[in-house]
Amino acid sequence: EDKVVQSPLSLVVHEGDTVTLNCSYEVTNFRSLLWYKQEKKAPTFLFMLTSSGIEKKSGRLSSILDKKELFSILNITATQTGDSAIYLCAVSGAGSYQLTFGKGTKLSVIP
Amino acid sequence: EPEVTQTPSHQVTQMGQEVILRCVPISNHLYFYWYRQILGQKVEFLVSFYNNEISEKSEIFDDQFSVERPDGSNFTLKIRSTKLEDSAMYFCASSESWGEAFFGQGTRLTVV
Repeated sequence: EDKVVQSPLSLVVHEGDTVTLNCSYEVTNFRSLLWYKQEKKAPTFLFMLTSSGIEKKSGRLSSILDKKELFSILNITATQTGDSAIYLCAVSGAGSYQLTFGKGTKLSVIP
Repeated sequence: EPEVTQTPSHQVTQMGQEVILRCVPISNHLYFYWYRQILGQKVEFLVSFYNNEISEKSEIFDDQFSVERPDGSNFTLKIRSTKLEDSAMYFCASSESWGEAFFGQGTRLTVV
């Protein structure tokens, strides 16, 4: 059974801090790992990672995958209050369309 | 920007009643999904749909559930006889291929 473990489960930081969120996984025939941001309702897509060592970047957010050690990190630099959300990690395996999600990391950024 | 739209945003129903949750996926997407999230828990996969048939389903998706694409744009999830434990946020998602899935805003289903 596919499994995704995220850590920490919650995190409180001050504006301007840099944070690193962790995601480790077990999946049969890994295909991709995805990061989503969930504010009030819908998960919003951030990144999809398929290859080890290649950093994906979007503004202050970046993410990298290590397929040997089976984990990914999501970095947010210069955090802002608008970054407060639950960050979800999900994986998919080859031959499957379903995403298996972790429990998420709840990030709270305080002014 | 194209988005997945879901209606209604909130549905309250009595136990034993049938409900239909509706979704309009992004227009050029070929893969459609339903996920649910019980309050405080993980997002869980229910079913995927491609080429007018179910391609994959989870053990949650039992005989009480069905999906349909009644026309070229809508994608529905029907729960035949709702139970209290069906109360959850139901998300529809779509994707162009096996890659990133885009989620709708969800329908909060409350079974009383």
